[in-house]
Amino acid sequence: AQKVTQAQTEISVVEKEDVTLDCVYETRDTTYYLFWYKQPPSGELVFLIRRNSFDEQNEISGRYSWNFQKSTSSFNFTITASQVVDSAVYFCALSEASRQGGKLIFGQGTELSVKP
Amino acid sequence: DAGVTQSPTHLIKTRGQHVTLRCSPISGHKSVSWYQQVLGQGPQFIFQYYEKEERGRGNFPDRFSARQFPNYSSELNVNALLLGDSALYLCASRPSGGSYNEQFFGPGTRLTVL
Repeated sequence: AQKVTQAQTEISVVEKEDVTLDCVYETRDTTYYLFWYKQPPSGELVFLIRRNSFDEQNEISGRYSWNFQKSTSSFNFTITASQVVDSAVYFCALSEASRQGGKLIFGQGTELSVKP
Repeated sequence: DAGVTQSPTHLIKTRGQHVTLRCSPISGHKSVSWYQQVLGQGPQFIFQYYEKEERGRGNFPDRFSARQFPNYSSELNVNALLLGDSALYLCASRPSGGSYNEQFFGPGTRLTVL
């Protein structure tokens, strides 16, 4: 069965703190893709990153970094020196290559609140 | 370049009514997917269309249907509305039907069923 779990429902930090959002996934496919999306209060999902199952290199983009570990089926997201504008709901999602239509399976989301 | 657009932005209906939601993909994108997001939860996949053919269907009742037009825009139809259909309906587009492509989401249509 395919599943994405984001155990942290809500996280609250003070500006400039580092914060890590956890994501654990389940899939039987050997080829799959992992995504992170940000959903600000406006509601529109904003794409942040895609990772394929054959590429375990960690990635850094400015204050954002992602740690993909197949051994633990995790794809965690870290925001360094958080800012108030980072406040949003963050979703981790899985897409399996074997599934026609390429549906995204989302986790429940983690609501991040960054206070000044 | 324009992103994914959806209409209407908000909609209020009563139980038993029918609703049609519309989506225009990013120019050049041939695949459109629909998702339902109930408050406090992650989006749930409803349909995917590519080149006007249904390529995927989620676990939703037959009251939900969709179609894609020659210009790649799409409609989602929901019949016999239930209170539980109240949600944010999101449309996403991507260049092709492949699961490796990231999907670009529109702002959504917020449906309230009274």
